[in-house]
Amino acid sequence: AQKITQTQPGMFVQEKEAVTLDCTYDTSDPSYGLFWYKQPSSGEMIFLIYQGSYDQQNATEGRYSLNFQKARKSANLVISASQLGDSAMYFCAMRDAQLTGGFKTIFGAGTRLFVKA
Amino acid sequence: GAVVSQHPSWVICKSGTSVKIECRSLDFQATTMFWYRQFPKQSLMLMATSNEGSKATYEQGVEKDKFLINHASLTLSTLTVTSAHPEDSSFYICSVTKAVQSYEQYFGPGTRLTVT
Repeated sequence: AQKITQTQPGMFVQEKEAVTLDCTYDTSDPSYGLFWYKQPSSGEMIFLIYQGSYDQQNATEGRYSLNFQKARKSANLVISASQLGDSAMYFCAMRDAQLTGGFKTIFGAGTRLFVKA
Repeated sequence: GAVVSQHPSWVICKSGTSVKIECRSLDFQATTMFWYRQFPKQSLMLMATSNEGSKATYEQGVEKDKFLINHASLTLSTLTVTSAHPEDSSFYICSVTKAVQSYEQYFGPGTRLTVT
């Protein structure tokens, strides 16, 4: 069964430092996608980064990188050089195929990141 | 620019009334749209998958007679909350995908529903 776990309800980081947000997952489908989204207080979901299950390299997008450890079923988000504007809720999500033929995305509980000046 | 729009962005309705929320794909034809709800300070919960031209697939525990979904065209899906109650107050978010096999998913800005 699909499962996404984010064990850190809240994290603090000093401005300009790096921070890692944890995410573990479980699925029986060999083909899946892992996502990280940022949700500021405005509520919009902002796509940050994507990692495919067959991708050999860790995904990177600017200051965001995904530490993909397939054997451990973890997909941690690393934000380098934190900025005050990074303060937000961060969700890890996984999308995989369903027996019905469609795809389904589930979200973790989220981690609220606070960046301190 | 925005790929997905939702209307209205916020709505207040009285208990017992129905409210319709629209989700539009602006840039491409979306064969599949998803509806999520998010309670304050909680994660997104998938309510249903909406496929153009066919009935929506509801997640376990979601009342299909209460949350009516109509995917009338490749660019429009609507969610109607019927006989709304205060416990239906939530943030409703839709998302679209370009193709059935695509992992790309674009989210709308959300609709905040308050039932008084």
